[in-house]
Amino acid sequence: DTGVSQDPRHKITKRGQNVTFRCDPISEHNRLYWYRQTLGQGPEFLTYFQNEAQLEKSRLLSDRFSAERPKGSFSTLEIQRTEQGDSAMYLCASSGELPYNEQFFGPGTRLTVL
Amino acid sequence: AQKVTQAQTEISVVEKEDVTLDCVYETRDTTYYLFWYKQPPSGELVFLIRRNSFDEQNEISGRYSWNFQKSTSSFNFTITASQVVDSAVYFCALSENRDGDDKIIFGKGTRLHILP
Repeated sequence: DTGVSQDPRHKITKRGQNVTFRCDPISEHNRLYWYRQTLGQGPEFLTYFQNEAQLEKSRLLSDRFSAERPKGSFSTLEIQRTEQGDSAMYLCASSGELPYNEQFFGPGTRLTVL
Repeated sequence: AQKVTQAQTEISVVEKEDVTLDCVYETRDTTYYLFWYKQPPSGELVFLIRRNSFDEQNEISGRYSWNFQKSTSSFNFTITASQVVDSAVYFCALSENRDGDDKIIFGKGTRLHILP
């Protein structure tokens, strides 16, 4: 399967713990996006990368959140000192070069903070 | 500001009926893209269609059709002869692609129940 993959698919953690998610984009895609989806809502943009450069961060991305894409391939999203409000589905997507290319979404990581 | 409104939170229809999902968008740009995605119970977002702002032709794909009207800023989605497998949450979305920024802004979704 050469689609976008995310790991883990589910994560349950206690409030205050740190968690890290991984996204592997489609191999030739240079743009990578993170979105968050809470129950009953549409996905909300968090941040995106072009190669290893993080080009935009949403105001939703508080100081407790950090994303990296060190070699322009896979990306990690870390949440420090998790709060119950962080419980959500975290979606990763990737796309190729502009002009506009379709974003392909991964299956998501569902985070539950107890 | 860019915004997508899906006024229908939840719709239930009986199998084989036609159903239309409404989408209204706001943008200041003249160049933008509109999308529909399907999210079945498994959770993965499935791309259905992308339409750019310069192409107002309606599109039909099997039982699916889309009606794009710039005059009313609407991009409605119709399923003809609905089937139980069409049950899912459907998202309308917008991307302005300004300065190379192509993040997608999603609506809140319409949950569609197709009853057997």
